[in-house]
Order: sequence, then C-alpha cells, then structure tokens
Amino acid sequence: ETGVTQSPTHLIKTRGQQVTLRCSSQSGHNTVSWYQQALGQGPQFIFQYYREEENGRGNFPPRFSGLQFPNYSSELNVNALELDDSALYLCASSRGLEPVNEQFFGPGTRLTVL
Amino acid sequence: AQKVTQAQTEISVVEKEDVTLDCVYETRDTTYYLFWYKQPPSGELVFLIRRNSFDEQNEISGRYSWNFQKSTSSFNFTITASQVVDSAVYFCALSGVDNDMRFGAGTRLTVKP
Repeated sequence: ETGVTQSPTHLIKTRGQQVTLRCSSQSGHNTVSWYQQALGQGPQFIFQYYREEENGRGNFPPRFSGLQFPNYSSELNVNALELDDSALYLCASSRGLEPVNEQFFGPGTRLTVL
Repeated sequence: AQKVTQAQTEISVVEKEDVTLDCVYETRDTTYYLFWYKQPPSGELVFLIRRNSFDEQNEISGRYSWNFQKSTSSFNFTITASQVVDSAVYFCALSGVDNDMRFGAGTRLTVKP
C-alpha cells in the first residue's frame, strides 16, 4: 500500500448532479495530482495541486475543479455530471514538483453516472 | 505535444515464457522522464521504474528489465520467466517539464498457468 487513501470507493450519481471526491496524501507529500481513467484507457491528467495552489491542468472543462487543504489532502469536484464522466478517478501524491519525484497512487474512486 | 503509444492492447502468454511490452513516445522536451506502472485488478497503480532522458542505461530488476533507446523513442519492458501474478495492465508514461504525465492506453498481460 502507498499510504494514499481515497473516498468513497464507489459512487453512483445521475446526470446533472455534482460530486466531490477526496484524497489523503502520503505523509510528507505536498503535491497531489488527479487523473481520470475511463474503462479500457490509460489515466488522463486532470490537474495538480502544490501547497494549496493549482499547478497545471489537463484538457478538462472548468466544471472539474479542485482544492488542496493545509494538510495537503485534496478534493476533486465535478459539477453538472455527464455520462462520459463515468470513470475511475485516481489521485497521486508526491513530494515537491519535480517530475523525477515518484507519484504514489491511491486505489481510486469509481464513479458511475446514470 | 507529448504522446505515448502502446501498440499492444492485449498479450497472452503461458507461464515461464518471456514477454516484451512495447512503448513508443513523442516529446519535444529535451529533459523528460519515462515510467512504467502496473495496474492489478484492484485498480491501484504500482510504480515499477523511472528513467530520465539522459540515462540510456538498460536496467534489470529481478525478472524485469527495461530497454531505453532514444534513437527510436522507445522504452520497452521485458518480463523474463513470466508468472501468473504478473497478470495485470501495464502502462508506460511520460512526464516533461510541465509535470503533465501522459499515459499510454496500456497493455493487458494475461499469464496462463
């Protein structure tokens, strides 16, 4: 286990609703990255938070937003859910910003949008 | 733009066979990092290796080995004497100076007893 936890494990929502996913980073890590992994595909980078500020964003619309708290845990919020938002959402924590720093992934939250 | 291509969608081998997973990447960055991750059915991505663009030495770790060739933009992964526990989806990933880690589509490896 990596020490990165995510909640909830599974979630079912209906189209148009809003959802909040949570991630607790590994001790000593101040960077959290979020990824969306659709079925049968590789993870896609959503955004990254470093010391409570967004530091980089992938090709996702503004209805995907996030927060990082002083303890470096993080939330991913998705508004106006669409069917295509159904996916496994992974968070990863690391120490600092350098790409060389290993990212430790959590087990993911599986979101189903009906 | 950065891109990772894993042309093999699925591979099936019998236990003890050697298997190579291919990874081809594209990037304009001169400094970049390549990764391999394993994703078992539980879903959690397990880090296997990281290689920076200035280090083309091949690496061996037990039954795992990696062949990095900048000339062909490839970073292939070989499992020697495969075991049933190696069954998983394997992802190759690329990270440049913008910290935007790009993953390939993955290769599903099935090792049959």
